[in-house]
Formats: sequence, C-alpha cells, structure tokens
Amino acid sequence: DAGVIQSPRHEVTEMGQEVTLRCKPISGHNSLFWYRQTMMRGLELLIYFNNNVPIDDSGMPEDRFSAKMPNASFSTLKIQPSEPRDSAVYFCASSLNGEDSPLHFGNGTRLTVT
Amino acid sequence: EDQVTQSPEALRLQEGESSSLNCSYTVSGLRGLFWYRQDPGKGPEFLFTLYSAGEEKEKERLKATLTKKESFLHITAPKPEDSATYLCAVRAYTGRRALTFGSGTRLQVQP
Repeated sequence: DAGVIQSPRHEVTEMGQEVTLRCKPISGHNSLFWYRQTMMRGLELLIYFNNNVPIDDSGMPEDRFSAKMPNASFSTLKIQPSEPRDSAVYFCASSLNGEDSPLHFGNGTRLTVT
Repeated sequence: EDQVTQSPEALRLQEGESSSLNCSYTVSGLRGLFWYRQDPGKGPEFLFTLYSAGEEKEKERLKATLTKKESFLHITAPKPEDSATYLCAVRAYTGRRALTFGSGTRLQVQP
C-alpha cells in the first residue's frame, strides 16, 4: 500500500501564476478529498469527490480554484491566478467508502505564493 | 454551524506523565467523532472513530472517550515518540457531510 501520493511536495510561485497540485489516491478507495491547512484556519475542506463526481465543493474559496477527477486514480487542484493568501499546505485524502470511512491523507503540498 | 474546540493548544509532558486532551464539539446530530495524529511535515493519520456517548476506544497508550458534549484523548505513560499534534474532527448527520476539524493540541513529551 503506497498510500496517497501528492506532487509536488513544495511549490513556490509568483502571484498571478497558475498552480496545479496533483493527487493519486489509494487504489480501491472511492472517495477523494482536498483540504487546506493554515495556522490561522486549521484544516478546511475544499472539495469532496465520490466515485469521481464532485459531491461538496462549498469550501472552494472562489472561482480561481478548480478541481477535477478524470478517473479513479488521479485528481488535480488548480489555482489560477494564484495570490499570496493562497499560501498554505494542501492535503489530498482518500477513503474506502465515502465520508464515514477513515480518511487517509497524503503528505501534502506546501504552496508559497510570493 | 458545526464547531470543534480543542484544549489545551499545547502541552508539554515528561515521559511517563499521564494526561488528557480535550475536544468540545457543537454539532446538529453527531454522526461520528474522529481523532487523528499529525507529525511535522506529514498528513494526519487516523487513530479512532467514536459514535455514541459512553463509547471508548484504545490503542497502545491512547484511549479516547466520548460524552454528549466532548471527547477526551487520554495518554497513559507517554513516550517521546507520542509527540505530535492531535486533531479532533466531527461529522454531522445534517449539513456538510465532510469532517469539521479542530485546531489541534500540540503535544511534546520530553525524555
């Protein structure tokens, strides 16, 4: 079991640039979550997919953020254009069967927008 | 709106010194309360799920308990490797279906 794999581990970009974060969930898991963690706000859910379909995207900050899950083994979170306030650690997590199963988190992508 | 408050924010213990972490919650119908452990530079790691008041779960030196308003994570005779941030999260029957996390308790166990 390789766990949830996220890339890149670190991303430094300039304001206005497009940023794409990637996630490979655990094989066989049918749910995928994107969270953002900051010192001020803690862990916040951005979006949740079930069987590749977005179920809850109410946490997506604004239109600059978008997420896709083209198949069961891959998801992306895109920020365009990026802003300094987007600086945070972004975590992807997957679960075996929806929101009632324990979440398995990746090690995150630390994003810094200058 | 679901709310989770954890205390203390930080806790420093000597090796072997038992203590408890608190998680107070406000939720419209608790579907589950979850405890996670997070090490620096890593994602949270699942520890326990509790579903109803009076329920207890144990794992090595950790024991989680649940009442109608709060949960405790008891750490018995901690070791330095127990040092981490411990996160509590709740899931409600209504409203948002995903987890609402507390801000965590940062535990440091000194040898």
